[in-house]
Amino acid sequence: EAGVTQFPSHSVIEKGQTVTLRCDPISGHDNLYWYRRVMGKEIKFLLHFVKESKQDESGMPNNRFLAERTGGTYSTLKVQPAELEDSGVYFCASSQDPGVGTGELFFGEGSRLTVL
Amino acid sequence: GESVGLHLPTLSVQEGDNSIINCAYSNSASDYFIWYKQESGKGPQFIIDIRSNMDKRQGQRVTVLLNKTVKHLSLQIAATQPGDSAVYFCAENRGSNSGYALNFGKGTSLLVTP
Repeated sequence: EAGVTQFPSHSVIEKGQTVTLRCDPISGHDNLYWYRRVMGKEIKFLLHFVKESKQDESGMPNNRFLAERTGGTYSTLKVQPAELEDSGVYFCASSQDPGVGTGELFFGEGSRLTVL
Repeated sequence: GESVGLHLPTLSVQEGDNSIINCAYSNSASDYFIWYKQESGKGPQFIIDIRSNMDKRQGQRVTVLLNKTVKHLSLQIAATQPGDSAVYFCAENRGSNSGYALNFGKGTSLLVTP
């Protein structure tokens, strides 16, 4: 079974440019999450999708970040325009429907974003 | 505010010794805790979880202890091996309306020396 896949693995852009990160969750996982880890700091929650709906987007830093999950399958996270402080590793995770299983989140390997 | 954090950012242990990684949390309403391991270049990987109605849970070579009185969580790794070198994160459930969205601590880097 394929795990959570993320693309690109690394993106280097200049301040003011736009970047779109993609996440393909494990097939059948309705829950999809985006997290971010800024260098040396904790992994911070950004938002949570249940299928195509945003369940919780309280962690999104500002309106330069836009997450979508059209059709309830893969998700994209767009940063426009990118700022220096957006640099970090963006992790995507997926899980089965809450209440089923252990609650384990399956993480992708992350997309490293470097804003120059 | 609600937060999850770690006492020590780095821990160095000799191969074969036991490791203990500590974590403090501040949200007394948290009812579910997880430990994750992140190896270099990879995403966090689930190790073990514990619910608030338990104070201890054991896995293979790992044990998680939960002390709700002082809001403290620890991960014990028995007979630490070089492959255990990684960053370890504790995490707590954000709340029932957030599914399994988690609050993570800053992580402890475990280095296993021969």
